Formats: sequence, structure tokens, C-alpha cells
Amino acid sequence: AQTVTQSQPEMSVQEAETVTLSCTYDTSENNYYLFWYKQPPSRQMILVIRQEAYKQQNATENRFSVNFQKAAKSFSLKISDSQLGDTAMYFCAFLLASGGSYIPTFGRGTSLIVHP
Amino acid sequence: DTGVSQNPRHKITKRGQNVTFRCDPISEHNRLYWYRQTLGQGPEFLTYFQNEAQLEKSRLLSDRFSAERPKGSFSTLEIQRTEQGDSAMYLCASSPTGLAGSRTGELFFGEGSRLTVL
Repeated sequence: AQTVTQSQPEMSVQEAETVTLSCTYDTSENNYYLFWYKQPPSRQMILVIRQEAYKQQNATENRFSVNFQKAAKSFSLKISDSQLGDTAMYFCAFLLASGGSYIPTFGRGTSLIVHP
Repeated sequence: DTGVSQNPRHKITKRGQNVTFRCDPISEHNRLYWYRQTLGQGPEFLTYFQNEAQLEKSRLLSDRFSAERPKGSFSTLEIQRTEQGDSAMYLCASSPTGLAGSRTGELFFGEGSRLTVL
């Protein structure tokens, strides 16, 4: 079974600064997807960014980028120019690309607070 | 496309009562998931449907929990004889098959149904 570990329960950052959220995972498979989801207070969870394991290039989406280290099984999220609206829970998730049950596994989350 | 809808948003019940939650996925999404989330935890998988077929259930899911997805459209999650430990947010998510490119594997979540068992 795959596991996802987020070792930072809480993080805080000043507005306009950069913050990095950590995620590690454990799998013996080679073909999979990794995701970061954002869950703002009292709102639904939405996808922030996605990475395919076979791609070496790190994914980027505007102010959000990842550092994907496949050998180390590490998948961190960098938020640049942090904004107050980035305050949320952030969840790292893992999904096998094939041969599995197509059920994403989530980490415990990191609560990010952006201070003005 | 109005997104994933969950009802009720909040439910307070007494221990021992039955509760039912409903999820309306995005139209034509044939995969539907139920997750449970407690404070300080990530979403924990409960069960998964592809169309009307329930393909997987978490081994952590007790016999008091049952889910259906008649005709592969909306889904219901019923909890019988509720216990205080069932208090949680119940999340529904849907996903299409065959979604190519940058959206593959993405789950679309509802706002959740919060259950409080007194």
C-alpha cells in the first residue's frame, strides 16, 4: 500500500514571501501521479498542481511549483509571492497510474497561514 | 456544470440514529468517491464507485456504513446506529474516466457533509 507523509502540521508565511511545503511518499511502483490540493476554510478542496512521475520536469502553475525528487520519493510544493487567499489546508496525494484501484491516497495535510 | 453537490451540509444527530448523506457528482463523471475527514487529518478513503458498481470499500468501513449509486448518477452514504466516533466531515468527489492531459486523475470535491453525533 502507498503512504503519503506530510511532516509539517502547520506553516506560516508573510504575505509576498515564499514558502515550501513538504511531502514524502512510499511506493514500489514506477508509474504514478502526485497532486497538491488546497482546502480553504469552509470551502471545497481544489487541485493546485499535478505531476506525472515519468516526467522529469517539475510542474508549475503560476505562483505554484513543485520540486519532484523521484529517487528520494519527495514532492514539495513551493508557493511564491504568497497571498492572503493562499491561507488553507494543503494536502499531498498519490495515485497509481495503472494496475491499481484508481483511488488517491492523501497525506494528513499542512495548515498554511499567510500573515499580512 | 454546477460542481459536486452534497446534502445536507450539516447534520446533528443523537447516538444510535441513522443518517443518510447524498452526493450529486458532476454530470458524466463515472467515478465517485466517498472520503471521511476528521480534524487534523487528511481525507480517509471509504468507498469508490465506477458507474453504478461499487468497486472498492475500505476495510476500515464497518458494517454500519453502506453506500449506493443507483443508475450511476447520485450516490448515498448511510450510517446506521451512529456512534460518537462517526463525527466527521464526509467528502464526496467525482472524476471522469479517460480524462487526458493535465487533468488526469484529478478529483472534483463537494463541500462536504459535516456529521455531529451527540
